Amino acid sequence: HSVLTQPPSVSGAPGQRVTISCTGNSSNIGATYDVHWYQQLPGTAPKLLIYGNINRPSGVPDRFSASKSGTSASLAITGLQAEDEADYYCQSYDSSLSASVFGGGTKLTVL
Amino acid sequence: EVQLVQSGAEVKKPGESLKIFCKGSGDNFANLWIAWVRQMPGRGLEWLGIIYPADSDTRYSPSFQGQVTISADKSINTAYLQWSSLKASDTAIYYCARQSLSMFGDYYYAMDVWGQGTTVTVSS
Repeated sequence: HSVLTQPPSVSGAPGQRVTISCTGNSSNIGATYDVHWYQQLPGTAPKLLIYGNINRPSGVPDRFSASKSGTSASLAITGLQAEDEADYYCQSYDSSLSASVFGGGTKLTVL
Repeated sequence: EVQLVQSGAEVKKPGESLKIFCKGSGDNFANLWIAWVRQMPGRGLEWLGIIYPADSDTRYSPSFQGQVTISADKSINTAYLQWSSLKASDTAIYYCARQSLSMFGDYYYAMDVWGQGTTVTVSS
């Protein structure tokens, strides 16, 4: 099982807003280590979507936003589009493992 | 901007050895941290470890320590991931990625440049 916990799947209709949660513990997210989010379109390599809890790399639409509080983080996607259908992963650092860790991933389906 | 290009797909038998590579463009490769990430069929991402080619400083996730070897040759801008004796459970896509350090350099941060992935299939 993954160190960070994400829901296996979420769905929404085009134009709607969805959120994806990422829950950790006091060795990772709760220890104030930053959370990053990745989008993986089918058959492609992951792409950095959000870094440092809230920051979007150049080229990422502002429909994507994220937040962090306590031992959890959250990714929000507004104005859902068909092209957003993908797997989404959160990632942080775990001090007990001295390693980067990922969430199990969440499959977003656009209805 | 650095680009990472990985070696092609491999099909191997259990017990065989394998070394795959990740070649970086640009003249600053040695001073990048390069991570390796595994994705088993239909599963999520797993961080294997990381290397700093400038001095070959290497760290492993506890789950993969002793299971794989990460190395690099800074003279040719290349990082490697190798197995001495493959198992069927090593079947996966393996990605390399540039991973930055935190502001104070005390922990591994985000992975902003990814290779295209190398598919490794281990089957008898």
